[in-house]
Amino acid sequence: NAGVTQTPKFQVLKTGQSMTLQCAQDMNHEYMSWYRQDPGMGLRLIHYSVGAGITDQGEVPNGYNVSRSTTEDFPLRLLSAAPSQTSVYFCATSPDTGGHYEQYFGPGTRLTVT
Amino acid sequence: KNQVEQSPQSLIILEGKNCTLQCNYTVSPFSNLRWYKQDTGRGPVSLTIMTFSENTKSNGRYTATLDADTKQSSLHITASQLSDSASYICVVSARNAGNMLTFGGGTRLMVKP
Repeated sequence: NAGVTQTPKFQVLKTGQSMTLQCAQDMNHEYMSWYRQDPGMGLRLIHYSVGAGITDQGEVPNGYNVSRSTTEDFPLRLLSAAPSQTSVYFCATSPDTGGHYEQYFGPGTRLTVT
Repeated sequence: KNQVEQSPQSLIILEGKNCTLQCNYTVSPFSNLRWYKQDTGRGPVSLTIMTFSENTKSNGRYTATLDADTKQSSLHITASQLSDSASYICVVSARNAGNMLTFGGGTRLMVKP
């Protein structure tokens, strides 16, 4: 089992460019989520999904879009990158709604917006 | 607003020594508290999960305690090893819609030989 995979590992964008961060899992988990991690701050929830076809906003959703067409994949789209979106992004999965069950994190994508 | 505060922000200890990391939270209503270990350049990995009724939980050389009355938790590391060098993150789950997790900023631990 690969667990949770994220691509790319590193990315540099210019302001205004768009891109998609990929997240895939092979554990058949219903719950998937995206976090960003900034220096000195706790991870903050961007968007989450409780199952295929269902997504919802987290704490910091502005500037990001998500979709969940399959159980396995949960891509995060940056529509028009801004320097404030420079961060490390983590995808996480859980068998059910994240509060009660173990969360499994991917290795992260380090994004720099210039 | 739900908050999780960790102390110290960073800590340096010698290999073989013990250390204790602290976590204070104001998350309500409380569901569970987790401790994660995050190695540099990697995603967080769970060490322990404790519910309201549990006040101690161990995972090898890691022992977490929880005082739900004072809303405090600690993570004690015994006989530290170089591989314990990492960030340790306290995370609290609220028993509400979405069961959102609130993450602390972490304690960065460096174990020196």
